[in-house]
Amino acid sequence: AQSVAQPEDQVNVAEGNPLTVKCTYSVSGNPYLFWYVQYPNRGLQFLLKYITGDNLVKGSYGFEAEFNKSQTSFHLKKPSALVSDSALYFCAVRPPGTYKYIFGTGTRLKVLA
Amino acid sequence: GAGVSQTPSNKVTEKGKYVELRCDPISGHTALYWYRQSLGQGPEFLIYFQGTGAADDSGLPNDRFFAVRPEGSVSTLKIQRTERGDSAVYLCASSLHNRDTDTQYFGPGTRLTVL
Repeated sequence: AQSVAQPEDQVNVAEGNPLTVKCTYSVSGNPYLFWYVQYPNRGLQFLLKYITGDNLVKGSYGFEAEFNKSQTSFHLKKPSALVSDSALYFCAVRPPGTYKYIFGTGTRLKVLA
Repeated sequence: GAGVSQTPSNKVTEKGKYVELRCDPISGHTALYWYRQSLGQGPEFLIYFQGTGAADDSGLPNDRFFAVRPEGSVSTLKIQRTERGDSAVYLCASSLHNRDTDTQYFGPGTRLTVL
């Protein structure tokens, strides 16, 4: 079965430190990969996506993600975390040939001042 | 410009009742998606429209759920004989086309509570 895994329910990081939110996937073929962020009482906001090309993708608010085909991973990263980055982050995958997006269960990021 | 809007923002109903949830996509977006998000879970795909037609409705959990998009813009998700297990946040998203490179933009969701 095709799936997305976010192994950490919560990630805590000190402000100013680098952050990583992990995502792995199990999909046949070459999927399209996405990261979304959800703030309280607001809809999901698009951060970045990988379609093809350079494995390092840069997105909104200083976030980036690295596609690793051999490890089937698409971890979200930021060099220096801000308290305002605290939110719920979702990884999503779209298998090739379909528009049926599959989301992970989410990782709550808490940036401590 | 205006984003995706959903109404109502909250809906409380009783078990067995019928409900309709509305989604207004971004103007000009031809693709529209419905998702269901239960507490502590990620969004779960329900149905995808390209224009007026449902291109993929494989995520609808059973025949109590139905969605329409008669003019290729506004969409309505309809739930008959609601059950307590239907309680969730229902999300709508739209994208410009159905091309591989398109990005989905989400609405704020409708929180459905079935008592």
